[in-house]
Amino acid sequence: AQTVTQSQPEMSVQEAETVTLSCTYDTSESDYYLFWYKQPPSRQMILVIRQEAYKQQNATENRFSVNFQKAAKSFSLKISDSQLGDAAMYFCAYRRGGGSEKLVFGKGTKLTVNP
Amino acid sequence: DAGITQSPRHKVTETGTPVTLRCHQTENHRYMYWYRQDPGHGLRLIHYSYGVKDTDKGEVSDGYSVSRSKTEDFLLTLESATSSQTSVYFCAIRGRNSYEQYFGPGTRLTVT
Repeated sequence: AQTVTQSQPEMSVQEAETVTLSCTYDTSESDYYLFWYKQPPSRQMILVIRQEAYKQQNATENRFSVNFQKAAKSFSLKISDSQLGDAAMYFCAYRRGGGSEKLVFGKGTKLTVNP
Repeated sequence: DAGITQSPRHKVTETGTPVTLRCHQTENHRYMYWYRQDPGHGLRLIHYSYGVKDTDKGEVSDGYSVSRSKTEDFLLTLESATSSQTSVYFCAIRGRNSYEQYFGPGTRLTVT
């Protein structure tokens, strides 16, 4: 079974600085997708960034970027120029390709942004 | 915002009572999902639907049933609620890219 591990239950960063959240996953599949979701106190789950496993290039979305290391099964999220609004729970998620409908989530990392 | 609404947003009910949660979407998405979120577990898939009257189980489906009689509505029913079903329930749809999922605002259910 696929598993997703987020080893940092909590992280903190100073406003305007950079922080990296870690995620590792376990799979024997070659076709899969990886995601980072943000959950602010409002509880809404917001898709931040996605990565297709077949793509070697790391995905970027404005201040958010990933470091996808397929051989190491690692998928970290880097947030640059951190803002107070980035404070939230961040969840890493995995989805097998080939028609699987299940997203497998990690347990989350709580990010605090200090002014 | 993928045009997803959930109702009710909060509910408190007693053990043994039936409960139905509704997910409504306005963009004609074929795939819809129900997840639950519990501390220490992240989100876990309960059931999903791939079309009207077409549903399948997820990893934590015991004690839950679903129905989808029209494209825009996906209902989650707890036939006899238990305290272990106290949770936050999220509905999701599959996005246009066919592998992304977008979530509704969630329903907090408390079973006393």
